[in-house]
Amino acid sequence: EVQLLESGGGLVQPGGSLRLSCAASGFSFGSYFMFWVRQAPGKGLEYVSGISSNGGTTYYANSVKGRFAISRDNSRNTVFLQVGSLRTDDMGVYYCARQKAGSYSLDYWGHGTLVTVSS
Amino acid sequence: EIVLTQSPATLSLSPGERATLSCRASQSISNFVAWYQQKPGQAPRLLIYDTSDRATGIPARFSGSGSGTDFTLTISSLEPEDSAVYYCQQRINRPLSISFGQGTRLEIK
Repeated sequence: EVQLLESGGGLVQPGGSLRLSCAASGFSFGSYFMFWVRQAPGKGLEYVSGISSNGGTTYYANSVKGRFAISRDNSRNTVFLQVGSLRTDDMGVYYCARQKAGSYSLDYWGHGTLVTVSS
Repeated sequence: EIVLTQSPATLSLSPGERATLSCRASQSISNFVAWYQQKPGQAPRLLIYDTSDRATGIPARFSGSGSGTDFTLTISSLEPEDSAVYYCQQRINRPLSISFGQGTRLEIK
């Protein structure tokens, strides 16, 4: 069974940082492109970042470029999102998701980890 | 930047009725539109990928269609459990990113 389990969220002050993790199981992790998608409270889904299967190529939304960094450790079946210079509009649930093989859709999602930015 | 606009924002229908949800792109996009269902407190669930293919385990009452700039998710006969927010999504290749519509809230009376 495919599982994605995020962790690392929490309460942080504006300007602070966190490292989010997403532990994967039940599939050949190193063969899949992975994404982070976030959702502000009561709002829609927003793409944050993506990383190729071998970690060699990374992608970011303009809103987080220069502040967030995605990485992965295929030996540990884990993808990370280092979030920094946090602002109140970065607040929300952060989901990791797997890109479906041969498609541009996201076929498995974790339950999400909540990031709260407040002083 | 390609923007996806979903309509209507809210849809209220009765069980057994047909729901038609629209997703319009600001410019022509490849036929790689996906649709997701999200219920309160849950992660999104993939329903349709590549415009018209149903994801694993998705009931046949869900179908997708469209091309160019106009895409549609149809739920042929609504069940009470279909109450949710539905999002469309597409992928942009240069630079690589994905984007979502703003969502359609479907209420079952």
